[in-house]
Amino acid sequence: NAGVTQTPKFQVLKTGQSMTLQCAQDMNHEYMSWYRQDPGMGLRLIHYSVGAGITDQGEVPNGYNVSRSTTEDFPLRLLSAAPSQTSVYFCASRSDLRGEQFFGPGTRLTVL
Amino acid sequence: RKEVEQDPGPFNVPEGATVAFNCTYSNSASQSFFWYRQDCRKEPKLLMSVYSSGNEDGRFTAQLNRASQYISLLIRDSKLSDSATYLCVVNGGGYSTLTFGKGTMLLVSP
Repeated sequence: NAGVTQTPKFQVLKTGQSMTLQCAQDMNHEYMSWYRQDPGMGLRLIHYSVGAGITDQGEVPNGYNVSRSTTEDFPLRLLSAAPSQTSVYFCASRSDLRGEQFFGPGTRLTVL
Repeated sequence: RKEVEQDPGPFNVPEGATVAFNCTYSNSASQSFFWYRQDCRKEPKLLMSVYSSGNEDGRFTAQLNRASQYISLLIRDSKLSDSATYLCVVNGGGYSTLTFGKGTMLLVSP
């Protein structure tokens, strides 16, 4: 199993550009989520999904969209990038609410 | 009061030392607890779950004190490879209530 995979690993955007961060898992997990990690702020939940077709907002959803058309994939879209979105983005999945959460390797995004 | 609080450190210890971290949480209804380890520029990985009766995994011991709302992690016989940031994670029960502490940095020196 590859676990949780994310692409790209690094990305530089200009203010106002849009892009999609890809996330996929091959563990048949129902629960998937996106976090951002900033120095001194810890991990903050952006959006999450409890199954295909079901998504909801986390702590910091503004400026981001998600969709979940399949169990495996959970892309994160930045609609109009801003410098405040410079961060490391982690996708994660788990099989149930009490279980271990597995993280992808992260995407390091810089917005100029 | 912040939901999950940890001392950011860094804790600087020599190899072979014993070191302990504490983490406090504010939600008394929290149902499950974890310690994750994060190496520099890497993703967090589960180190161990924390059970009510306390649990041990090799050199690592985790304890939960529900009355005082804190969990602890004890590392015995520290190794250079233990150098990392240790994240305290608390689950309130619902999906969106998995809350991460900001982490405690451990540096083990020769």
